[in-house]
Amino acid sequence: EADIYQTPRYLVIGTGKKITLECSQTMGHDKMYWYQQDPGMELHLIHYSYGVNSTEKGDLSSESTVSRIRTEHFPLTLESARPSHTSQYLCASSEPGRVNEKLFFGSGTQLSVL
Amino acid sequence: AQSVTQLDSQVPVFEEAPVELRCNYSSSVSVYLFWYVQYPNQGLQLLLKYLSGSTLVKGINGFEAEFNKSQTSFHLRKPSVHISDTAEYFCAVSNTGFQKLVFGTGTRLLVSP
Repeated sequence: EADIYQTPRYLVIGTGKKITLECSQTMGHDKMYWYQQDPGMELHLIHYSYGVNSTEKGDLSSESTVSRIRTEHFPLTLESARPSHTSQYLCASSEPGRVNEKLFFGSGTQLSVL
Repeated sequence: AQSVTQLDSQVPVFEEAPVELRCNYSSSVSVYLFWYVQYPNQGLQLLLKYLSGSTLVKGINGFEAEFNKSQTSFHLRKPSVHISDTAEYFCAVSNTGFQKLVFGTGTRLLVSP
């Protein structure tokens, strides 16, 4: 069973607001990821982390930022939300090891910016 | 770089019928291949994976996939689907260093009675 949690599940917010999407895992995984998913489109990796104080940008450019102060926590922040940020955001983590063949995903946060 | 193409955005099928969800990949290096499933209002779950060895891979819930290197395909099959198989299915690829997964656009499987 996946022990990775995302909150909130749904968020509707006005333009210009600062938001933080929470992601926590209780499995002790070093590697964590943020994906962005639009209907009918591929999942795009926007951020990843290989451990505490390690963050990297993914394949898809994103105005969001992430932090990794604790192993279990990998929040994503948008300083000023815009309608173009409307999307589903999926957090994931993977087990340590050279071949990380299994990602554990959270249930996602559906963000709507009005 | 790797990429994945899922040719069908939606596949409608009747209960107990067989189904095949198509996936083709592109890569200049050796790859690992995966199928993930996303049930309504849930996160993605790993269905099955190909890392090496036998090209026929069996996963959970009666699904299987066959790695075909010459056709660069990794199609997902199930001989008899259930209503509960209704979900979105994502094919994904990574290089053998597994820095990150690249996902396809997904195929929505709709099983009706």
